[in-house]
Amino acid sequence: AQTVTQSQPEMSVQEAETVTLSCTYDTSESDYYLFWYKQPPSRQMILVIRQEAYKQQNATENRFSVNFQKAAKSFSLKISDSQLGDAAMYFCAYRSADNYGQNFVFGPGTRLSVLP
Amino acid sequence: KAGVTQTPRYLIKTRGQQVTLSCSPISGHRSVSWYQQTPGQGLQFLFEYFSETQRNKGNFPGRFSGRQFSNSRSEMNVSTLELGDSALYLCASSTPGTSFDEQYFGPGTRLTVT
Repeated sequence: AQTVTQSQPEMSVQEAETVTLSCTYDTSESDYYLFWYKQPPSRQMILVIRQEAYKQQNATENRFSVNFQKAAKSFSLKISDSQLGDAAMYFCAYRSADNYGQNFVFGPGTRLSVLP
Repeated sequence: KAGVTQTPRYLIKTRGQQVTLSCSPISGHRSVSWYQQTPGQGLQFLFEYFSETQRNKGNFPGRFSGRQFSNSRSEMNVSTLELGDSALYLCASSTPGTSFDEQYFGPGTRLTVT
């Protein structure tokens, strides 16, 4: 079974600075998808960024980018120019690439605080 | 396009009772997944329904069940509630056939069992 680990339960960053959230996973599969989801306080979980395992190029979405190291099974999220609205729980998630089912495996989450 | 909606948003039940939660997916989405979120266990997958059939199931007891209707709306039921069932229950919908099949989450139903 796949597992996802986020070793930083809490992190903080100064507004306008850069922060990196860590995620490692364990799988024996070669094809899969990785995601970062954001859950603001008392608000809906939303997708931040996604990465296909077979693509070596790291995904980027505006201020959010990932560092995907397939051999090391690492998938970190970098937030540049942090804003107050970035404060949230961030979850790393794994999904097998087989089309049979939507069994996402989530990490325990990292609570990010943004300091003004 | 309207997002995923869940009703009710908050629920208080007594131990031993049963509860039914509802989820309406994004229009056109045929897959609905359910998750339980607690501070101690994080997000845990309950089950997934696709075209009215349960396609995947997590490691939860049989007290947790679900179903999906022909319009893709889904319900989950928890019978004989226990204190440990207190959690935020999240529903997510997706549309298989896209490369990522990323899930779109609803706001959740917060269940408190007393």
